[in-house]
Amino acid sequence: DTEVTQTPKHLVMGMTNKKSLKCEQHMGHRAMYWYKQKAKKPPELMFVYSYEKLSINESVPSRFSPECPNSSLLNLHLHALQPEDSALYLCASSQPSAVRERDYGYTFGSGTRLTVV
Amino acid sequence: GDSVTQMEGPVTLSEEAFLTINCTYTATGYPSLFWYVQYPGEGLQLLLKATKADDKGSNKGFEATYRKETTSFHLEKGSVQVSDSAVYFCVTGTASKLTFGTGTRLQVTL
Repeated sequence: DTEVTQTPKHLVMGMTNKKSLKCEQHMGHRAMYWYKQKAKKPPELMFVYSYEKLSINESVPSRFSPECPNSSLLNLHLHALQPEDSALYLCASSQPSAVRERDYGYTFGSGTRLTVV
Repeated sequence: GDSVTQMEGPVTLSEEAFLTINCTYTATGYPSLFWYVQYPGEGLQLLLKATKADDKGSNKGFEATYRKETTSFHLEKGSVQVSDSAVYFCVTGTASKLTFGTGTRLQVTL
């Protein structure tokens, strides 16, 4: 299995809703990432989990709450979002450099397209 | 911090034309280099990669060579197809972070 699977593919939510995005990989990768991509822009890093521990939070607002229940799963919990949070949310995974020097094997999912109304 | 500069788009070419998308980078360490492609409405796909100086990455007719002396990783293809229309991102990567260029939109017409 060489894929990163994200669900749902599309999500429309109101500003008072609570929803979650899910990401799953079975490649044995021990680093997992959330990126946010606005239209016609490159992806922006939000969070990094390394060995199931949060290692990087790029000053993301608390209405986004990541969770890594195990080495294969990554969730992003959403609450009280704003319309400007509408974007494509991408999950990625990689193998830390300790295992393969500089051949990190980043793999991206196809994303969840989120619309906040 | 690291940064990636790639040529402004959009790039419009006729089918079978030669493609070059320039990419240069600055990095504090010794990154791996990637080209990712994003087709309309989809996520990112790894197109090719190079992990050390003078490595050539290639896939689907696309090529790029890791030039450490000029800090460049230009993407080339000898003959583009309509199906190559997409956004191409030049990316540097370390153990914990990818740094993206702004992306270059390629439009190939018949």
